This record gives sequence, C-alpha cells and structure tokens, in this order.
Amino acid sequence: DAGITQSPRHKVTETGTPVTLRCHQTENHRYMYWYRQDPGHGLRLIHYSYGVKDTDKGEVSDGYSVSRSKTEDFLLTLESATSSQTSVYFCAIRSGRGGGELFFGEGSRLTVL
Amino acid sequence: QQQVKQSPQSLIVQKGGISIINCAYENTAFDYFPWYQQFPGKGPALLIAIRPDVSEKKEGRFTISFNKSAKQFSLHIMDSQPGDSATYFCAASMNYGGSQGNLIFGKGTKLSVKP
Repeated sequence: DAGITQSPRHKVTETGTPVTLRCHQTENHRYMYWYRQDPGHGLRLIHYSYGVKDTDKGEVSDGYSVSRSKTEDFLLTLESATSSQTSVYFCAIRSGRGGGELFFGEGSRLTVL
Repeated sequence: QQQVKQSPQSLIVQKGGISIINCAYENTAFDYFPWYQQFPGKGPALLIAIRPDVSEKKEGRFTISFNKSAKQFSLHIMDSQPGDSATYFCAASMNYGGSQGNLIFGKGTKLSVKP
C-alpha cells in the first residue's frame, strides 16, 4: 500500500461547473502525477509535480490545472468541465527507491453531463 | 516518437496457455520498460520491468523479452490462469531515476483467460 487516497471516488457533474479532484499521499514522495484513462487511449499524463509549487504539463493538459501547496496533496482542477473530460482519473506517486516505479491510487470516476 | 504501440488490443487464452503481448517504441532514449497490470475498479500496479542492458527478465510465470535493435519488447505469461485476466499496459520512460522519468503508456491489452 503506497498510502495514496483519491477523493472523491465518484462524481457526476454538469457541463460548465468547476471540479476539483484531490490526491493525498502519506509517504512524503516528491513526484506526483495525474493521469486520465479512457477506452482505446490507455493512460495519458495530464500534469505532474516534482515538489511543492513545482508542476509541469503532460500530454493532455488543456482544460486542466493543478496545485501542490503541501507535499502530501496534489489537486487537479477542471475550471469548466466538458463532456470530453468524462473519464477515470488516476493519481500516482513515484517511488524514489524504485527509480521509475509508479504507485497508483484507486481512481476517481468523473462523469460530465 | 514518444509513442509506445501495444498489440493486441484484446486477447483470449485458454487456461494453461501462453499469453503474449507486444510493444514497440521509436525513441532510442527510452531506458526503462515496465509492464503494469490492472484489475477492474483498481489502479494499475507494476508487474515487472526491464532495462535495456538485458534481453530477458523472468519473475515467476511472467517474462519480459527485450529486443533493443528492433525497438520491441514483449510480455509472456506462461501457464496463464483465470486470475491473470486483467488489462496489461506496457510503458517506457527515459532518464531512469532522474529528475522526471515520466512514463509513456501503451493503450493496453485486455486479457481474458478461459477456464
């Protein structure tokens, strides 16, 4: 157990509303990631963080923003949700000891109507 | 050049058979090649990984074969079991253990092992 908690686990929202997903870790890892998973697309990186207040864009960052004000929390925000952002969102942390190994949370399923 | 191409999209294997999933990449700077296993409703979990200095790595019934010249790597599951039914993702990254090392994932293979 890598000590990753995602919240909420399920959310249904309307188009145009803001949504924030939270990833909380208990093991003080430096690197945190947000991926989205969609059928036929696999896992695609949205944003990642390499420290408090240090974030960068991934492959599919348009329409998303992130913040990391504390080591343990990495927030993903959809400022104005669209139906194309209906997806399962996974947070991951990178274990420094493993080099490249990622540990994933259980996922947050978001439906935008 | 950043893509990892995975095939097949789905695979049905009889219990006891061999499951083979293939991946190909273009970027020769990739230096870390993991496979992740995902069960329904769960996040992906690392299954096995290889670095390009070896051509094969085996852990129990799972083996990665790596062909550096062909820029291909594959996962072999020997004596496949119904409990192996899951979605498998290959991935690749560069700068192993370094400042970023962001993983690029294939699109996944849904494996079903029939009893």
